[in-house]
Amino acid sequence: DAGVIQSPRHEVTEMGQEVTLRCKPISGHNSLFWYRQTMMRGLELLIYFNNNVPIDDSGMPEDRFSAKMPNASFSTLKIQPSEPRDSAVYFCASRPLAGGPRAFFGPGTRLTVL
Amino acid sequence: GDSVTQMEGPVTLSEEAFLTINCTYTATGYPSLFWYVQYPGEGLQLLLKATKADDKGSNKGFEATYRKETTSFHLEKGSVQVSDSAVYFCALSPRGNSSYKLIFGSGTRLLVRP
Repeated sequence: DAGVIQSPRHEVTEMGQEVTLRCKPISGHNSLFWYRQTMMRGLELLIYFNNNVPIDDSGMPEDRFSAKMPNASFSTLKIQPSEPRDSAVYFCASRPLAGGPRAFFGPGTRLTVL
Repeated sequence: GDSVTQMEGPVTLSEEAFLTINCTYTATGYPSLFWYVQYPGEGLQLLLKATKADDKGSNKGFEATYRKETTSFHLEKGSVQVSDSAVYFCALSPRGNSSYKLIFGSGTRLLVRP
């Protein structure tokens, strides 16, 4: 089992540019989460998908952020335009239907917006 | 709302010392409780969990007991190793409609010196 795969692992971009983060959940998992980790705010849930449908996006900071899950094996988190305050580590996590509340996390994407 | 409070770090110990990291929670009803560990440059991994009062979760020499009376889930290990150096997160998952959520504490960094 390859685990949750995220790409890129590191991203450095300039303010105003579009950023796309990618996630491949564990095969067979039907729930997918995007989290953001910063020193100031800790780990925050951005959005939760169940069976590819967004269920809870109340944590998405603002309209510059969008997330999609076109199929069970792929999700994207897009920031357009990016700002320096978006600098953080973004984690994707997945969970199987009958696995209880435990989540399996990917290695994260460290985003730096200059 | 639901929340998790854990002790500030860093916690610095010598190898073979006893470890306690305090965690208390606020939640409606009886949530599931977790400890996750994050090694440098990696995503979060589940360390242990407890789903009901008086349950004891254990893994790799770490233990934590779900204490309903004190709303606590303190992490303990009898003899730490250098390889235990990491950031430890206490988390809860609410019951009911929000059971998909993981609400994390701020994390406690543990440094173990040889």
